[in-house]
Order: sequence, then C-alpha cells, then structure tokens
Amino acid sequence: GAGVSQTPSNKVTEKGKYVELRCDPISGHTALYWYRQSLGQGPEFLIYFQGTGAADDSGLPNDRFFAVRPEGSVSTLKIQRTERGDSAMYLCASSLTEYNEQFFGPGTRLTVL
Amino acid sequence: EDQVTQSPEALRLQEGESSSLNCSYTVSGLRGLFWYRQDPGKGPEFLFTLYSAGEEKEKERLKATLTKKESFLHITAPKPEDSATYLCAVQAGYNQGGKLIFGQGTELSVKP
Repeated sequence: GAGVSQTPSNKVTEKGKYVELRCDPISGHTALYWYRQSLGQGPEFLIYFQGTGAADDSGLPNDRFFAVRPEGSVSTLKIQRTERGDSAMYLCASSLTEYNEQFFGPGTRLTVL
Repeated sequence: EDQVTQSPEALRLQEGESSSLNCSYTVSGLRGLFWYRQDPGKGPEFLFTLYSAGEEKEKERLKATLTKKESFLHITAPKPEDSATYLCAVQAGYNQGGKLIFGQGTELSVKP
C-alpha cells in the first residue's frame, strides 16, 4: 500500500513569510507525528496527534508553529513569520497506534532566505 | 532527562568487514527502542523494534540487540549498499505518548 506522503518536497521562502507543509499518513493509522531534522542531527519531536486532537505539542519551539489534523487523516504544519533558523527538513510519520513503529514520509526541505 | 547517544558518529568499513554500532540510552521507563536507516535527503526507514533486555532481531546482514542501558546494531559482512546513517530512538514510558527521542545517528560508509 501507499506510504506516508509529504508535500511539497522542497519549499523556499523569504524571512517573514507564512508556509504550510502537508502530510498524508498511511490509511488507517490513528497516530501522526511531526519531527524536525537539522543537518547532521537526529529528528526532533514537534507534535503528535491521536485522531484529530493534538495529544502532545510540547516540542513546538514557539507560538509561530501550529499544526492541525481536522478529520483525523491529513495534517498540516503551519509556520508563521518564518525565520532563517526554521530552515530544516520537516518529517512526518504515522503509526497504527501511538505505541507501534512509526513510518516516515520523505520529508519537506524548508529553506528560509 | 531522557537521552540517546550513538557512537561512533561516523564509521568507515571495507566491504565484508563486520562491525557494531552503539546506542546508549537513559529513559524513564523504556517502552521500546527503534532502529532506522536514513539515506541522504530521505526520510528514515524502519528497521527494528526491541522491547526488553535480551531481545534480538535480525534482517539480512543486520542484527539488533538490547540490554538495560544500550543497544547494538551488528553489521555482518557489509556491502556498499549498506552505506547510510543509522538512527536509534527510544519511546519512553506508558504515560508519555508515542514520541520518539532520537540519537544523532551513526554515518556508515562501506567501501568496495
């Protein structure tokens, strides 16, 4: 079956702009996660959803970051007033339940100029 | 604080030269330990989950083992196509949700 998909694969924006990153999880997976990965580092947790609700958003760095999953499937990560420090690979993962193995998408490479 | 440390940061092997990667962890109640493989510019690819000390899992040339403080990923007779970054992650406790805490990874290069 289809894996996790993310769009766009690359996003270049200017400092101060708003961006949206989309994640389409594996069908039937109830848990969805967002991570951010800088070059040479492991992924860092941002937020996870169990169904439609954000079960844990403790990893969001500040209030410029927000994520939604309105129908319990597709999720969108939204970043307001982007800063150069937001440049990174943004990874989405899904799992059957919150304690099963997580399957990752190909990521969105965000570059803020 | 929950923490994962991987060593070495980088490892260069000749084809056929077996070795091991280390993942040390401190966590408040281990729910599971996960190994992933990541190729440049791509998302991590799931390899193994280990749940309790003494558990072992194998897949082709890879074998993962777990103790109460660390996990090893053993690579037997590696091939150039095994070159990648290998990531270790832990899932902590039953009341802390499903988030993964990752190490920084070991970059493996296998030369023919």
